[in-house]
Amino acid sequence: ETGVTQTPRHLVMGMTNKKSLKCEQHLGHNAMYWYKQSAKKPLELMFVYSLEERVENNSVPSRFSPECPNSSHLFLHLHTLQPEDSALYLCASSQRYGGRSGNTIYFGEGSWLTVV
Amino acid sequence: QQPVQSPQAVILREGEDAVINCSSSKALYSVHWYRQKHGEAPVFLMILLKGGEQKGHDKISASFNEKKQQSSLYLTASQLSYSGTYFCGTEGGDYKLSFGAGTTVTVRA
Repeated sequence: ETGVTQTPRHLVMGMTNKKSLKCEQHLGHNAMYWYKQSAKKPLELMFVYSLEERVENNSVPSRFSPECPNSSHLFLHLHTLQPEDSALYLCASSQRYGGRSGNTIYFGEGSWLTVV
Repeated sequence: QQPVQSPQAVILREGEDAVINCSSSKALYSVHWYRQKHGEAPVFLMILLKGGEQKGHDKISASFNEKKQQSSLYLTASQLSYSGTYFCGTEGGDYKLSFGAGTTVTVRA
């Protein structure tokens, strides 16, 4: 139990579907992240929210749309995805974003996404 | 710039030791180590801050050489529970973490 909960754990969707991934953190953190994890590749940072404001958007296609309604919840809305988007999507949180060193990130267990 | 980890994979027998290296091309302020078991969240192991310190977590320890911009993770007297993929995350002057591709460790009885 890391204090970061993701749902669903597994999702299969067609290329024309619209679905959402949900993340909730119970750690009282102020920053939340979405990462994409593909086999044999480094973790790819997608989005960062700090105090509910989006502060990073790392050239992510518009078919991925994040939403952070409050500091404890983060969503990733998915629409018209491609098969190459199939991956493990990890949510994470940290006490803060940037500012000084030593900021530890805590991950959720991830949502396995398969696009067919 | 993402750090480079080596080796990509290592297979050990219980009780053997291993070293995982993490190198960066940029100046580092901290190095973070995580372990991820299949189907589970990456779990934070330890953080090493600028200053060349060494830390330990049970029989897993790490060192950080800021001059060489690298860190090493030491698995001592490995146990079956040590199996998993180990990631390093490096933090530079922008205070943002970049992760390596991971080192898969398999410990066999």
